[in-house]
Amino acid sequence: DTAVSQTPKYLVTQMGNDKSIKCEQNLGHDTMYWYKQDSKKFLKIMFSYNNKELIINETVPNRFSPKSPDKAHLNLHINSLELGDSAVYFCASSQDQAGGRKLFFGSGTQLSVL
Amino acid sequence: SQQGEEDPQALSIQEGENATMNCSYKTSINNLQWYRQNSGRGLVHLILIRSNEREKHSGRLRVTLDTSKKSSSLLITASRAADTASYFCATPYSSASKIIFGSGTRLSIRP
Repeated sequence: DTAVSQTPKYLVTQMGNDKSIKCEQNLGHDTMYWYKQDSKKFLKIMFSYNNKELIINETVPNRFSPKSPDKAHLNLHINSLELGDSAVYFCASSQDQAGGRKLFFGSGTQLSVL
Repeated sequence: SQQGEEDPQALSIQEGENATMNCSYKTSINNLQWYRQNSGRGLVHLILIRSNEREKHSGRLRVTLDTSKKSSSLLITASRAADTASYFCATPYSSASKIIFGSGTRLSIRP
């Protein structure tokens, strides 16, 4: 009964390949996010969707394309993978509410580009 | 850009001692959150403090917020081995839905 689940947990691939990471939340939240955590543990927001609509798109190479088929799903497709894309990618969700949004995170996808 | 900076970057204490970590941020906020990340896991929300609150408690956690200094602190009392983790502060930045994280404090509890 995982609240935010993402697959796969580990992804090892060659430079130049295309890969996808899937995320699903069963919390009924309106907003979903992708974050990237580098080797120094810095966590950087990449994208945010609210009810399937893109609302945040940070300075991310256009090789990264998020897709939200419905508000419970937010997938991340990465084209032409580069060595620098190696990181842990976290999906998260939150409910719109006054006073602050608490994020619920998935367990992460560790991407290694060789 | 990083909104929050945490201090110290790493902290090692004896089990049973108290652990204090600090977060400074740059812009005005209406709330600040703290999260914990165990090794190899996702972040878990610990506590949210609103800008009109100065202090908040949750179990062994105590969070303070000083909006005049743009800083917050997280105190964990009577630390346990299970508290070993990285701790991050998080704030909204330019919009409520853009939540950005500090650099984190790695806390190690020695038995």
